[in-house]
Amino acid sequence: EVKLEESGGGLVQPGGSMKLSCVASGFTFSSYWMSWVRQSPEKGLEWVAEIRLKSDNYATHYAESVKGKFTISRDDSKSRLYLQMNSLRAEDTGIYYCTRSTMITTYYAMDYWGQGTSVTVSS
Amino acid sequence: EIVLTQSPAITAASLGQKVTITCSASSSVSYMHWYQQKSGTSPKPWIYEISKLASGVPARFSGSGSGTSYSLTISSMEAEDAAIYYCQQWNYPLTFGGGTKLEIK
Repeated sequence: EVKLEESGGGLVQPGGSMKLSCVASGFTFSSYWMSWVRQSPEKGLEWVAEIRLKSDNYATHYAESVKGKFTISRDDSKSRLYLQMNSLRAEDTGIYYCTRSTMITTYYAMDYWGQGTSVTVSS
Repeated sequence: EIVLTQSPAITAASLGQKVTITCSASSSVSYMHWYQQKSGTSPKPWIYEISKLASGVPARFSGSGSGTSYSLTISSMEAEDAAIYYCQQWNYPLTFGGGTKLEIK
């Protein structure tokens, strides 16, 4: 059974940092692109970042809103995905989901989502 | 960035009623994915690449569209279909629609 379990969320002050983690099980983690997606009442679902495979030199993509602030990384030996978040602001508040991406037939889609971890940026 | 606009934002349907949700893209895309989310849970893949039903999705659901206009249709509304539905495209940056909340009338 595929499982994605996020951790590391909580309350952080504006300007602070936080590192989210996602542990994967039930599949060969190193073979899949992975992403972080966040959700808030104000912005709805918002894709945050993506990381590809070792064979892609772990290429990354970021939403413009987090570029330069957030860093996505992975440790294939531990089946773990990370999101380092710096310079946090109130608008970064939300539930952060870890997702797995799969090639369907022609295009990729997010076929598994974790249960999410809540991040609140507030003083 | 491709903006996805869903309509309606909220709708209600009687059991057995046909329901159509639309997703309009600001630029042409080759495909669209749809996700279903129920309260307190994470989104689930629902329809892939315009019309491919994800595993476990009932056959009363279908998807169609091309270019800038896509839709999700339920042929006969059932109680378990009440949820929020989101469309999503994969040109970078990846974007989601604002969601359509489907309720039971």
